[in-house]
Amino acid sequence: NAGVMQNPRHLVRRRGQEARLRCSPMKGHSHVYWYRQLPEEGLKFMVYLQKENIIDESGMPKERFSAEFPKEGPSILRIQQVVRGDSAAYFCASSPVDRLGTEAFFGQGTRLTVV
Amino acid sequence: QKEVEQDPGPLSVPEGAIVSLNCTYSNSAFQYFMWYRQYSRKGPELLMYTYSSGNKEDGRFTAQVDKSSKYISLFIRDSQPSDSATYLCAMQVSSGYSTLTFGKGTMLLVSP
Repeated sequence: NAGVMQNPRHLVRRRGQEARLRCSPMKGHSHVYWYRQLPEEGLKFMVYLQKENIIDESGMPKERFSAEFPKEGPSILRIQQVVRGDSAAYFCASSPVDRLGTEAFFGQGTRLTVV
Repeated sequence: QKEVEQDPGPLSVPEGAIVSLNCTYSNSAFQYFMWYRQYSRKGPELLMYTYSSGNKEDGRFTAQVDKSSKYISLFIRDSQPSDSATYLCAMQVSSGYSTLTFGKGTMLLVSP
């Protein structure tokens, strides 16, 4: 059983471009969580999704950021018109039930660099 | 005041030392307390979790929670160079869905 797969592992974008980060949860997991880790900062919650539904997006910036988890395929975190401040490591986690802390596994992350 | 405070280190110890890592928090509603290990350029890996106050032991690792002081600790006995990583504490209000609140992490370096 493969772990949580994130791709790409590294992504470089110029200011103003779009970034698409993908997360394939572990087999049998229908709950996905996205976190962002800024340099010298802790992991910050962004959004929690179940298949085809956004459950909690209280940590998402109001503009330029969106997330989806379609019925088929990976979860996508989309950042439009990237700025230098978006440079960070983005992690997703997945769980079989809504128990983030005790049942979720994290992926290896996507490191976004905005130049 | 941040919800979760954690000294970023680095904490440097010789192989075989007992390591103590700590976090303090301000939200008395937190009930579940986790410790994650994160190697450089990798994702966080759950080491152990405890519910409410008390101790929990798993091999060389012991987690302690003191809710009255809002203070949690992770002890590592007989530390090994392979323990060199960043250790993140995290907390949650309930076992069902609630967001995880992380500390910034403490970098641990164990020298042979």
